[in-house]
Amino acid sequence: DVKVTQSSRYLVKRTGEKVFLECVQDMDHENMFWYRQDPGLGLRLIYFSYDVKMKEKGDIPEGYSVSREKKERFSLILESASTNQTSMYLCASSPSGTGGYEQFFGPGTRLTVL
Amino acid sequence: AQSVTQLDSQVPVFEEAPVELRCNYSSSVSVYLFWYVQYPNQGLQLLLKYLSGSTLVESINGFEAEFNKSQTSFHLRKPSVHISDTAEYFCAVIDTNAGKSTFGDGTTLTVKP
Repeated sequence: DVKVTQSSRYLVKRTGEKVFLECVQDMDHENMFWYRQDPGLGLRLIYFSYDVKMKEKGDIPEGYSVSREKKERFSLILESASTNQTSMYLCASSPSGTGGYEQFFGPGTRLTVL
Repeated sequence: AQSVTQLDSQVPVFEEAPVELRCNYSSSVSVYLFWYVQYPNQGLQLLLKYLSGSTLVESINGFEAEFNKSQTSFHLRKPSVHISDTAEYFCAVIDTNAGKSTFGDGTTLTVKP
């Protein structure tokens, strides 16, 4: 069974802290994605990666960075957390190519920044 | 660039009533179309998708969606909803030449007894 796991379901951090959100997939997918989900705004793409050590900015990369050292793991980093980064963060993966492949999502991490 | 518009942010219906969740998209290239469902406190999961062929696609739990190229729409329908269908539904498109999806803002379906 296809699986995308995220390191925490709930996380509470303080303003200014460095925050790491981890995502692991066991499907050997090339593509991995980080989204944030806010009420009324749907899913907004932060960063995606189409291969190890490769990354591309999404629609809202400001205040975030990512790391992909291994194919199965994609980390989202908040260098200095701020209250406006309080949100639900969703990781997803998909195969590469143009075959119309769907994305497989993790359960999400609900981050609160105080 | 492509965009997705889900025309209703909230849809309340009574159990066993029919429902339609509307999705329109715009794109300068050919796209694939998807509906995802998100149950409370879970990630998104694929409900159904249109890649090619028959414009009517069905899911295993009774939902169907029809691709209408002339109206650039991909509306989701179910003839009789259950309480367990209460969830948020997202329409998404992916450019046939790229790997990124564009999602709509979501429609919250609430089924009342």
